[in-house]
Amino acid sequence: TAGITQAPTSQILAAGRSMTLRCTQDMRHNAMYWYRQDLGLGLRLIHYSNTAGTTGKGEVPDGYSVSRANTDDFPLTLASAVPSQTSVYFCASRAETEAFFGQGTRLTVV
Amino acid sequence: AQSVAQPEDQVNVAEGNPLTVKCTYSVSGNPYLFWYVQYPNRGLQFLLKYITGDNLVKGSYGFEAEFNKSQTSFHLKKPSALVSDSALYFCAVRDNDYKLSFGAGTTVTVRA
Repeated sequence: TAGITQAPTSQILAAGRSMTLRCTQDMRHNAMYWYRQDLGLGLRLIHYSNTAGTTGKGEVPDGYSVSRANTDDFPLTLASAVPSQTSVYFCASRAETEAFFGQGTRLTVV
Repeated sequence: AQSVAQPEDQVNVAEGNPLTVKCTYSVSGNPYLFWYVQYPNRGLQFLLKYITGDNLVKGSYGFEAEFNKSQTSFHLKKPSALVSDSALYFCAVRDNDYKLSFGAGTTVTVRA
């Protein structure tokens, strides 16, 4: 079982450019999440979706947008990247009480 | 709003010794608490959770955690640490909307 697949694994992006981080799950979980991980800050929630067709803002949503057209996919878009968005991004889905995480996307904005 | 705190950035222990990683929480209502582990260049892996019931929760890889309501703590423990337990450990609390709030993480180093 693949679980959660994130792409790309890593990316270097010029400031001002846009980018979409992809996340796909094959577990048919309703809820999905995007977190960013920064040293000393743990994981912070960017956006979430409790079910297909709905999304919500997390702790640090500014500069990011998401969509949830179907159950399996939950892409995260940076419309105009800034260096402070350099981070490791994790997608997760939830079954009952337990969350499952992807392998992460390491993004460097220069 | 709910939150968790991990007071130690790093924990260093010798292999075979007991390992404790501390976590305290702040919630309104009943706490739903979790521990996750992250190995280098990997995503987070679920270790264990406390929802209700026994205060001592057993999880994966020989880990357990003790829920203490009076001290608002949920410390992760392992009786005998292994070098392979070296990783980054996160405590998390769930809100009523099922969103997780994570602590800053504790780096565990187990020396041979």
